Amino acid sequence: EAQVTQNPRYLITVTGKKLTVTCSQNMNHEYMSWYRQDPGLGLRQIYYSMNVEVTDKGDVPEGYKVSRKEKRNFPLILESPSPNQTSLYFCASSPYRGTNTEAFFGQGTRLTVV
Amino acid sequence: GEDVEQSLFLSVREGDSSVINCTYTDSSSTYLYWYKQEPGAGLQLLTYIFSNMDMKQDQRLTVLLNKKDKHLSLRIADTQTGDSAIYFCAESNDGSARQLTFGSGTQLTVLP
Repeated sequence: EAQVTQNPRYLITVTGKKLTVTCSQNMNHEYMSWYRQDPGLGLRQIYYSMNVEVTDKGDVPEGYKVSRKEKRNFPLILESPSPNQTSLYFCASSPYRGTNTEAFFGQGTRLTVV
Repeated sequence: GEDVEQSLFLSVREGDSSVINCTYTDSSSTYLYWYKQEPGAGLQLLTYIFSNMDMKQDQRLTVLLNKKDKHLSLRIADTQTGDSAIYFCAESNDGSARQLTFGSGTQLTVLP
């Protein structure tokens, strides 16, 4: 089954404690992205990757890091989480070209930083 | 930068039609999408329309695009309680996850 898998689904952590949210896709997609969803603001892009070892900042990259060492994985790293990073996070993937232009989303990770 | 705007809330009675509206600013938008998010779930693509189309119909869903006014709407006919969700409008230049710009989402509540 084609899917984007995020882990964990829920996470509560303390300020300053490094964490990683994993994202994996099984569709051999080139593009992957991370978004955060906040009430009244919709989804805002944090980082994206066009292929292995190619990443770039989205609209709200401050406080986040990513890596793309393998095509299927795109982890989101919070080196020193702060309460303003409490949010719902989504990973997405899509092919570079083709007739199927759909972006596939993971189920989301709800992060609370206290 | 690009901006996509939606109203935050909409309530309708079961069986009525729902119309969710969206405006966007990027005139180079090529793909326009409607995503549905049910409580506790990820985003599900409902439908999309290319910028060279005016209308697209898919069962109970009708998408209308007014390119001149940069206005997109989603009509849900015979709205059911299972349609209660947040609906996101999104636009993209190339249709990929690299470049989606989302609206704030419209919370649709279907009343019995």
